[in-house]
Amino acid sequence: EPEVTQTPSHQVTQMGQEVILRCVPISNHLYFYWYRQILGQKVEFLVSFYNNEISEKSEIFDDQFSVERPDGSNFTLKIRSTKLEDSAMYFCASSTTRRTGGREQYFGPGTRLTVT
Amino acid sequence: GESVGLHLPTLSVQEGDNSIINCAYSNSASDYFIWYKQESGKGPQFIIDIRSNMDKRQGQRVTVLLNKTVKHLSLQIAATQPGDSAVYFCAEDDTGGAAGNKLTFGGGTRVLVKP
Repeated sequence: EPEVTQTPSHQVTQMGQEVILRCVPISNHLYFYWYRQILGQKVEFLVSFYNNEISEKSEIFDDQFSVERPDGSNFTLKIRSTKLEDSAMYFCASSTTRRTGGREQYFGPGTRLTVT
Repeated sequence: GESVGLHLPTLSVQEGDNSIINCAYSNSASDYFIWYKQESGKGPQFIIDIRSNMDKRQGQRVTVLLNKTVKHLSLQIAATQPGDSAVYFCAEDDTGGAAGNKLTFGGGTRVLVKP
């Protein structure tokens, strides 16, 4: 069964450093997403991406964040200058179409980001 | 990848019994709802979804009920098994699918299945 994969599973970085979190969505999916979950809190939407551009983003997704689909398989989240409060579990998700069914999003296993 | 939350409500259920997990949503404009299961160290796993033009949908051992009048969603698990122990989240989407969807998650309920 196809699944979303993410690397690395755990990333430790120092405050102020740049990090790139990587995801390989399900191969025939068209929509890609990033969510995060701070320990003890709800899963929060960050950004959705379709046709090589951002469809929607939350207030959390400020200028420090960016997303990219550098090739036909990878989807990345970059945080330019990490802050302590960026420590969280980051989930990538993908879905097929937005209107004609297939609105369910399939999540990867997550990357735990620890900023020290 | 678990929602550890000190304040996470917990449902303890005997193996073989039915489980009912409830969720109140806040946005009357939401037209799509999903239930996810999250096991320790894993990402949310899709269980079942329902659109706002329905009030009930059944899957394998699971049923989702939607009451739009009181903005309430429930997940029923029949014959609960030890493998059903996890944190369950409801999520809603109010975008109408117009912008790639944006799920708003609830706080989660921990289900513990006793053998």
